[in-house]
Amino acid sequence: GAVVSQHPSWVICKSGTSVKIECRSLDFQATTMFWYRQFPKQSLMLMATSNEGSKATYEQGVEKDKFLINHASLTLSTLTVTSAHPEDSSFYICSAPPGAGGGNTEAFFGQGTRLTVV
Amino acid sequence: KQEVTQIPAALSVPEGENLVLNCSFTDSAIYNLQWFRQDPGKGLTSLLLIQSSQREQTSGRLNASLDKSSGRSTLYIAASQPGDSATYLCAVPSGGYQKVTFGIGTKLQVIP
Repeated sequence: GAVVSQHPSWVICKSGTSVKIECRSLDFQATTMFWYRQFPKQSLMLMATSNEGSKATYEQGVEKDKFLINHASLTLSTLTVTSAHPEDSSFYICSAPPGAGGGNTEAFFGQGTRLTVV
Repeated sequence: KQEVTQIPAALSVPEGENLVLNCSFTDSAIYNLQWFRQDPGKGLTSLLLIQSSQREQTSGRLNASLDKSSGRSTLYIAASQPGDSATYLCAVPSGGYQKVTFGIGTKLQVIP
């Protein structure tokens, strides 16, 4: 199956600073990656779709200027939380599209990043 | 729009019991369904993937069934162990079959 590596696994930052989260596809090339977030006691919700070589598409209610997504290569997508505030504290996780890296239709996820803004 | 519901939201059982977690989805036009495990503060561990053409999948003490027509799936855990304590998530493809919609999960606690 496809291997998705996400870094860092956890980060604590001060309010007002920016944090970058990386998502790498290790054994396949991905023209598309998905970014999800999970607030406490809530379900994982899709934030945005990262598209290699073009602009990301954001779900309704997600601020594109706050959550900057860059997909500059076929193996790396990054999510930058700009001017982070405590309400941005959440669990962020990236995913390769179902079927990435092979014929299986399974969705593969990174390890996730726990962001805490203080 | 695909919606996924999981019941119960939380479950506490003594060690050794068999248990069933339920998942229902509104759009039955899915090509697969996945069950994941999430430990506190951790990422997702894929447990079972059921293709739309399959009725069930088994892995060790886990058995997942799928009834597409009724929009339901169950995850059966046999002889539960304290190490099974985690949140179990049901997920189905949606929106062009690239994205995934998750249920809120069932938080399981197995008491020694």
